[in-house]
Amino acid sequence: QLVLTQSPSASASLGASVKLTCTLSSGHSDYAIAWHQQHPEKGPRYLMKLRSDGSHSKGDGIPDRFSGSSSGAERHLTISSLQSEDEADYYCQTWGTGIRVFGGGTKLTVL
Amino acid sequence: EVQLLESGGSLVQPGGSLRLSCAASGFTFSSYAMTWVRQAPGKGLEWVSGISGSGGSTYFADSVKGRFTISRDNSKNTLYLQMNSLRAEDTAVYYCAKEVEYHYDSGGYPHYWGQGTLVTVSS
Repeated sequence: QLVLTQSPSASASLGASVKLTCTLSSGHSDYAIAWHQQHPEKGPRYLMKLRSDGSHSKGDGIPDRFSGSSSGAERHLTISSLQSEDEADYYCQTWGTGIRVFGGGTKLTVL
Repeated sequence: EVQLLESGGSLVQPGGSLRLSCAASGFTFSSYAMTWVRQAPGKGLEWVSGISGSGGSTYFADSVKGRFTISRDNSKNTLYLQMNSLRAEDTAVYYCAKEVEYHYDSGGYPHYWGQGTLVTVSS
């Protein structure tokens, strides 16, 4: 079964970097994913597509501070030089034939 | 600029029906698959349904299969979600999203999202 696992919460200080992790279920370690950002009471925003080799393609207007990397079944979203507006929920998402699967989301707090 | 505007959400009684609409602009609507995703209060994102660019292929989450129908009118640049036999657990904000590909079953992801419309199922 295709499942994505995320830690429920993360925190980091203003100006620092943070690395969020999304883990693919067993047997799916070669899957690409997408990262989406959601601020409270807002619709989500596509950030990037992240492949198993770590290559990624970002959405329109996504700052260079956002980057992605991969290691085995793990897919990472790194945000550097954290700003207050980066405080949001972050969801990873992948796909199978005719389905879309979301991780549970990580709530990022900027201290 | 891609814009997606959902409408049709409201308070409905259990067992009732509702039709959501999503008006699209800023891109060639018929060239892209579309997706509905929902978010229950305080919860994460849940995929609901998807449709190919032509409308000829549709897909549903098990939680809504047999109760919800997805369709599109490419002449009106509008996506629909017909929801029947509604349950309390269908209460959520419903988002429509533009996919990155034309074919839904080749895999993909939402590339642009709307702001959502709230559906509340309660007596």
